Amino acid sequence: AQSVTQPDIHITVSEGASLELRCNYSYGATPYLFWYVQSPGQGLQLLLKYFSGDTLVRGIKGFEAEFKRSQSSFNLRKPSVHWSDAAEYFCAVGPRSARQLTFGSGTQLTVLP
Amino acid sequence: DGGITQSPKYLFRKEGQNVTLSCEQNLNHDAMYWYRQDPGQGLRLIYYSQIVNDFQKGDIAEGYSVSREKKESFPLTVTSAQKNPTAFYLCASSSTEFNEQFFGPGTRLTVL
Repeated sequence: AQSVTQPDIHITVSEGASLELRCNYSYGATPYLFWYVQSPGQGLQLLLKYFSGDTLVRGIKGFEAEFKRSQSSFNLRKPSVHWSDAAEYFCAVGPRSARQLTFGSGTQLTVLP
Repeated sequence: DGGITQSPKYLFRKEGQNVTLSCEQNLNHDAMYWYRQDPGQGLRLIYYSQIVNDFQKGDIAEGYSVSREKKESFPLTVTSAQKNPTAFYLCASSSTEFNEQFFGPGTRLTVL
């Protein structure tokens, strides 16, 4: 069975600092990988996705993530955090042959001024 | 603009009443999904449908029912059998080709 672990429940960073959110997955084959962001009381917005090819993917809002097969990880990074990045972030994994996604439990990001 | 709409945004119901949450999409997506979100638990799949008139149970289907009579619509009914229905409910859809899911704005259901 596939699973996703986001080890950090809550992360606090200062505005302008760099950010890395961790995601580890368990899946038997090469998966589809996603990062979503959710503002309070809102739906989820896709930040970026990995299907194949270059293991470093760039998404919206200046975010990027790197797929590391050997570590079963897909960590999200941003060089300089803005106050508007404060939100909850979800990593998700899905098989290529079907459409179900498994989501991690999320990481809440707080940005200090 | 293409997207997914959910209504209502907030819903209050008395214990023991059935309630139906609406989800509509105009993205021409084949697949639609319902998730439940509780604090600290991420998203859990309730039901999904890959084609009209067909749907499958997800991880937490007990106490819920769905229908898929039209491609655009995938309503979710929370029945009185659902023991703890107060939660945030999210609807999503995806195309045939990609596994990327697009989400609606959600409905917050509170059972009093």
